[in-house]
Amino acid sequence: EVHLVESGGGLVKPGESLRLSCAASGFTFSSYSMNWVRQAPGKGLEWVSSITTSSSYIYYADSVKGRFTISRDNAKNSLYLQMNSLRAEDTAVYYCTREGGYYYFDYWGQGTLVTVSS
Amino acid sequence: QSVLTQPPSASGTPGQRVTISCSGSSSSIGSNTVNWYQQLPGTAPKLLIYSNNQRPSGVPDRFSGSKSGTSASLAISGLQSEDEADYYCAAWDDSLNGVVFGGGTKLTVL
Repeated sequence: EVHLVESGGGLVKPGESLRLSCAASGFTFSSYSMNWVRQAPGKGLEWVSSITTSSSYIYYADSVKGRFTISRDNAKNSLYLQMNSLRAEDTAVYYCTREGGYYYFDYWGQGTLVTVSS
Repeated sequence: QSVLTQPPSASGTPGQRVTISCSGSSSSIGSNTVNWYQQLPGTAPKLLIYSNNQRPSGVPDRFSGSKSGTSASLAISGLQSEDEADYYCAAWDDSLNGVVFGGGTKLTVL
């Protein structure tokens, strides 16, 4: 059974950094592209970033470009999101998702809450 | 302002058929396949329809998707109370080089 478990969320001040992790199990992690999707409180879904199997191709939403860095460690079956220069508008639940095919997300983690507030 | 446009709300009575629209552009829906997600209250989203009209294993055939030009639709037939949820469309956008979502439609079963 596929499992995606996010961790690393918490409360930080504007301008600070945070690193999210996603532990994957139940499938061959190295064979799938992975993505981060976020959801601000009471709002809709927003795609954040994508990384291909060998990290050859990486994409970011304009809203996080230059501040966030996605990475993966296939040996550890893990996905990461390094978030720097955090802003209040980055406050959201961050979901780790598996890309089942052409940019659709067939499995989602339970999410980890990031709150940016002074 | 979302790149894909959905109605904020929809409703129906049990047994009815409801449709939810999703409007995009030539660089999003016009050039790529559309996917739909269901988010039940307090839970993570779940893939409902992929590649315009394909259902993942376990999704009832009451749910169907279609696409025409730069628009797509999700249809739910035989509406049930457990279908009450938020529904999101999504697609890759060639101009933005990223996945774009609709703003979501809250479905209420009356």
